[in-house]
Amino acid sequence: AQSVTQLGSHVSVSEGALVLLRCNYSSSVPPYLFWYVQYPNQGLQLLLKYTSAATLVKGINGFEAEFKKSETSFHLTKPSAHMSDAAEYFCAVRGGGYNKLIFGAGTRLAVHP
Amino acid sequence: KAGVTQTPRYLIKTRGQQVTLSCSPISGHRSVSWYQQTPGQGLQFLFEYFSETQRNKGNFPGRFSGRQFSNSRSEMNVSTLELGDSALYLCASSAGQGGSSTDTQYFGPGTRLTVL
Repeated sequence: AQSVTQLGSHVSVSEGALVLLRCNYSSSVPPYLFWYVQYPNQGLQLLLKYTSAATLVKGINGFEAEFKKSETSFHLTKPSAHMSDAAEYFCAVRGGGYNKLIFGAGTRLAVHP
Repeated sequence: KAGVTQTPRYLIKTRGQQVTLSCSPISGHRSVSWYQQTPGQGLQFLFEYFSETQRNKGNFPGRFSGRQFSNSRSEMNVSTLELGDSALYLCASSAGQGGSSTDTQYFGPGTRLTVL
């Protein structure tokens, strides 16, 4: 069975600082991993996805994530935070040949001037 | 291409009523999945439809049901509403069946259901 754990329900950074959102997964099969972002009163927007083609995945809005099998991690980073990055971020894993995503609890990112 | 659309965006019902939510997937997508999002339980998978067949179902009571039409549009129904059904219901569409690395789910804006 697959599962995802996001460490830190709230993360606060200053504008221009590094963003690091943590995600650890558990999967009995090679995982497909995703990061989604949710802005207030909106649905989920795909940031990036890992599909085994490359361990370093680049996404939209300057975000990237690195798949580390030895650490079962898929942390999301951005070198320089922007005020517009303030949102809730969800890590998700999909497996089993179905379109079923298992989500982490989410991390709310606050960006301060 | 237009994205995933969900109607209505907001809904207020009272306990005991039933409700139907609608989802139109991205053109060409044949898979539609439904998720419930609540502050307490987070994002939980409800069910998935592909080519009018339910392929997978989450751990929800039988009051939650769905269907998919030949044009891939999907509806979910909740009967005998309870206060705990208040949530954001999200629909996601995908081109394939989920077995390929290219299968990605794209989400709609959601329907906010409030049960009074």
